[in-house]
Amino acid sequence: EAQVTQNPRYLITVTGKKLTVTCSQNMNHEYMSWYRQDPGLGLRQIYYSMNVEVTDKGDVPEGYKVSRKEKRNFPLILESPSPNQTSLYFCASGSRLFEQYFGPGTRLTVT
Amino acid sequence: QKEVEQNSGPLSVPEGAIASLNCTYSDRGSQSFFWYRQYSGKSPELIMFIYSNGDKEDGRFTAQLNKASQYVSLLIRDSQPSDSATYLCAVNIRDNFNKFYFGSGTKLNVKP
Repeated sequence: EAQVTQNPRYLITVTGKKLTVTCSQNMNHEYMSWYRQDPGLGLRQIYYSMNVEVTDKGDVPEGYKVSRKEKRNFPLILESPSPNQTSLYFCASGSRLFEQYFGPGTRLTVT
Repeated sequence: QKEVEQNSGPLSVPEGAIASLNCTYSDRGSQSFFWYRQYSGKSPELIMFIYSNGDKEDGRFTAQLNKASQYVSLLIRDSQPSDSATYLCAVNIRDNFNKFYFGSGTKLNVKP
């Protein structure tokens, strides 16, 4: 089954404790992206990747890091999480036509 | 700053009616336009995309694009209660197809 998976699905952590949210796709897509979704603000793009070792900033990259060492994986790293990073995070992958397929989401709470 | 504006709703329509969802965008360099549906507690799923002026139809869904007016809409014919969801409009821009900007979504309620 073609899918985008994210782990963990739910995470509660404390300020400053480094965390990684994993994202994996099995559709051989070159394009992958991370978004955060906040009430009233919609989806905002954090980072995207056009291919292995090629990443670039989206609209709200501050406080986040990404890496793309393999085509199927695109982890999101929060080196020092803060409460304003409490949000619902979505990973997506897409074809050349940018038909993005979204993962199930990761709900992160930073206290 | 790229802005994509949608009326948050809720938009209520009776079953069988046509639902009309609207989206305006600020950047004249916007290239392609996407409509996603998001059920409560779920991830967005692509309904359709459009990049040329005019209408594009896919089943009960029709996307309409007017670049001169910076306006894209989604029509849902014969609305069903299962269409009740939040509809997200997204655009990417000519200068960088890889960057996407989403509206905050319009909540649609289809009443039986």
